[in-house]
Amino acid sequence: EPEVTQTPSHQVTQMGQEVILRCVPISNHLYFYWYRQILGQKVEFLVSFYNNEISEKSEIFDDQFSVERPDGSNFTLKIRSTKLEDSAMYFCASRPNPDTQYFGPGTRLTVL
Amino acid sequence: DAKTTQPTSMDCAEGRAANLPCNHSTISGNEYVYWYRQIHSQGPQYIIHGLKNNETNEMASLIITEDRKSSTLILPHATLRDTAVYYCIVRVEYSGGGADGLTFGKGTHLIIQP
Repeated sequence: EPEVTQTPSHQVTQMGQEVILRCVPISNHLYFYWYRQILGQKVEFLVSFYNNEISEKSEIFDDQFSVERPDGSNFTLKIRSTKLEDSAMYFCASRPNPDTQYFGPGTRLTVL
Repeated sequence: DAKTTQPTSMDCAEGRAANLPCNHSTISGNEYVYWYRQIHSQGPQYIIHGLKNNETNEMASLIITEDRKSSTLILPHATLRDTAVYYCIVRVEYSGGGADGLTFGKGTHLIIQP
């Protein structure tokens, strides 16, 4: 069964550094998402992406964040200058039409 | 801004049916009830969704009351691997693009006891 994959599984970075989290959505899906989950807290929506542009973003998704689909398979989340509070699990999701989102296993980001 | 209310936690014996309730008294006519679950440290997993009729798939059954103000997710024969946080989400079913990020609450932590 096709799955959403994410790399790396764990990323450790220093505060102020840039990180890029990578996702490979399911191949025939057209809609892509990033969510995050701070340890012990709820899963929070960050951004949705369709047709090479952002469809919706939450208040969390400020100017420090950006998303890109650089080729036909990858979907990336970039954090320009990481802060301690960016430490979280980041989940990528994708969906076909109609609406059922399939989530990847997540990347654990630790900012020191 | 929670649209749903779920118990914080529940226990169920292995092999028994797990019945997870969800209240959504302010649900609109075009809003569906979705269920996802999150096994520890993994990504959320879609389970089932429905509008007003009861639904069943290979994972679970969804029973929605006639007034649609509440629903129950049923795992017919719970196993230890069903231990997870279960999220009930009310939303419009999106078939196109647009604003469709999922809003997760705290969910119900279901613990399957051996």
